[in-house]
Amino acid sequence: EPEVTQTPSHQVTQMGQEVILRCVPISNHLYFYWYRQILGQKVEFLVSFYNNEISEKSEIFDDQFSVERPDGSNFTLKIRSTKLEDSAMYFCASSGRQGNNQPQHFGDGTRLSIL
Amino acid sequence: QKEVEQNSGPLSVPEGAIASLNCTYSDRGSQSFFWYRQYSGKSPELIMFIYSNGDKEDGRFTAQLNKASQYVSLLIRDSQPSDSATYLCAGTSYTGTASKLTFGTGTRLQVTL
Repeated sequence: EPEVTQTPSHQVTQMGQEVILRCVPISNHLYFYWYRQILGQKVEFLVSFYNNEISEKSEIFDDQFSVERPDGSNFTLKIRSTKLEDSAMYFCASSGRQGNNQPQHFGDGTRLSIL
Repeated sequence: QKEVEQNSGPLSVPEGAIASLNCTYSDRGSQSFFWYRQYSGKSPELIMFIYSNGDKEDGRFTAQLNKASQYVSLLIRDSQPSDSATYLCAGTSYTGTASKLTFGTGTRLQVTL
């Protein structure tokens, strides 16, 4: 069964450093998402992406965050200058079509630890 | 603020029993609801979704939606120890370009032997 893949599984970074999280969505999917989950808290929406542009972003997704689809398969989340509070699990998700009844499939996540 | 509320649990049920997980939502614009299962330290795994009032069955799982009461539930029949996990309820509103999921905090289910 097709799946969303994320790399790395765990990233440890010094505060203030840039980090790039990578995702390969399901191949025929067109809608891409990033979510994060701080330990013990709920999964939170960060950003949605379609047709090479951001569709919607949350308040969390400030100027330190950016997303990119550099080629036909990868979808990346960049945090320019990491803060301690960026430590969380980051999940990439994708869905096939527009509409409310299109399920989003999640990758295994990247655990980001900021020191 | 659009919220999805769930009882954090734990909900403890014996093996073979029916587990009933509940969720309420505040945004009347929410049109579809998704149930995900999340094992500790793992990613959300889709179980099923529902967007019409009433019941939807898939194997041992039944999702129920009542839009008038803004209430969603998931029933798990013949609960197994492997069903022990956190169950996340998520609602979505279609904005015309993409749908974002708004998650509840999840209900932790424990199926005991």
